[in-house]
Amino acid sequence: SQKIEQNSEALNIQEGKTATLTCNYTNYSPAYLQWYRQDPGRGPVFLLLIRENEKEKRKERLKVTFDTTLKQSLFHITASQPADSATYLCALDIQAGTALIFGKGTTLSVSS
Amino acid sequence: GAGVSQSPSNKVTEKGKDVELRCDPISGHTALYWYRQSLGQGLEFLIYFQGNSAPDKSGLPSDRFSAERTGGSVSTLTIQRTQQEDSAVYLCASSQSGQYEQFFGPGTRLTVL
Repeated sequence: SQKIEQNSEALNIQEGKTATLTCNYTNYSPAYLQWYRQDPGRGPVFLLLIRENEKEKRKERLKVTFDTTLKQSLFHITASQPADSATYLCALDIQAGTALIFGKGTTLSVSS
Repeated sequence: GAGVSQSPSNKVTEKGKDVELRCDPISGHTALYWYRQSLGQGLEFLIYFQGNSAPDKSGLPSDRFSAERTGGSVSTLTIQRTQQEDSAVYLCASSQSGQYEQFFGPGTRLTVL
């Protein structure tokens, strides 16, 4: 069956450290992979998109990698801050521009 | 500019009643999506509208669920004869033609007693 897994439900790190979140998928061949941030009581907010032919994408303190052989994406937040505390969702785009398939998310807590 | 808006923000209903949830997408966005997020679950795709094409209804969990999009803009998700398992946050998103980033509304929290 088709499945998306995010490595853990919760991740706790100290301020200033790098947070690494993992997204694994099986039985998909996504054209794109997206990462969203969701705060309690709010809808997800888009962070980054990476295409199947891209290995890495960066935006400020964020970095995403995409390994289609391993069927895995890693999402890194460097120099993490308490304001980065949120749930981060991985989403696959099987056919560009259609509905996304989401993982359950990883809740990140950054303590000062 | 204004983002995606949804109404109501909260809806409490009794089992067996019908409910309507509304979504106002960002002006000019041709694609509109409905998702459902249950406690402890990821976002689950329900239905997708793209321009004037027939909607992709493949995610609707039962025939009690339906959605319309009038004039290529506002959308209404209707749940008939609600059941307790329908309790969830219903999220609407929109996107521009050719763009893959989806913009989400704040959601409607539906509670079926």
